[in-house]
Amino acid sequence: QSVLTHPPSASGTPGQRVTISCSGSSANIGSNTVNWYQQLPGTAPKLLIYGNNRRPSGVPDRFSGSKSGTSASLAISGLQSEDEADYYCAAWDDSLNGWVFGGGTKLTVL
Amino acid sequence: EVQLVESGGGLVQPGRSLRLSCAASGFTFDDYAMHWVRQAPGKGLEWVSAISWNSGTRGYADSVKGRFTISRDNAKNSLYLQMNSLRSEDTAFYYCAKDGSSSWKSKNGFDIWGQGTMVTVSS
Repeated sequence: QSVLTHPPSASGTPGQRVTISCSGSSANIGSNTVNWYQQLPGTAPKLLIYGNNRRPSGVPDRFSGSKSGTSASLAISGLQSEDEADYYCAAWDDSLNGWVFGGGTKLTVL
Repeated sequence: EVQLVESGGGLVQPGRSLRLSCAASGFTFDDYAMHWVRQAPGKGLEWVSAISWNSGTRGYADSVKGRFTISRDNAKNSLYLQMNSLRSEDTAFYYCAKDGSSSWKSKNGFDIWGQGTMVTVSS
């Protein structure tokens, strides 16, 4: 059972905008920033968003992050077939004194 | 090219030990904290352990505390994970990952990942 909660799946059609939510608690998302990772099939994870809403160099601006209270969201606009992947949120947890991940959301591009 | 390459995985019996290594290249290794993250087959990501740039602080997930030890050799640009008293639930792909800062509690995220090494614990 993951400390952070994602919906297990999400889907959209090419060009559409989709959002993936991540729910936590005051010990993690509520008091720390959120990072998002993309894991394409058969590959290692890749940092997509850090510090709630900052994109590393090379990440398209179609990807954006936000946080409110104990929840965070990843939005993908102009959905493309290559966005089909698993997406994970992560945050520092003050109670566990460690990093926690969500269980992952599998995004399908229809 | 910035790169992390893990090695040392394999099949090991329950209760035995294994040491993973991660070779870093393409960046100033001793400027950054490093992490180990694992992923059981078909499952999500689980943070395992982290170490600061100078080995001054280390952290462990409760699931591995007392059994796993993280270390680094900055002269060799290498990160290690000594895994003792292995259990079947430790079976997973183990990734090493670079932090975006010198502290493993920063908000900069894990910005570089290796391709992982598979550890299978089974009799």
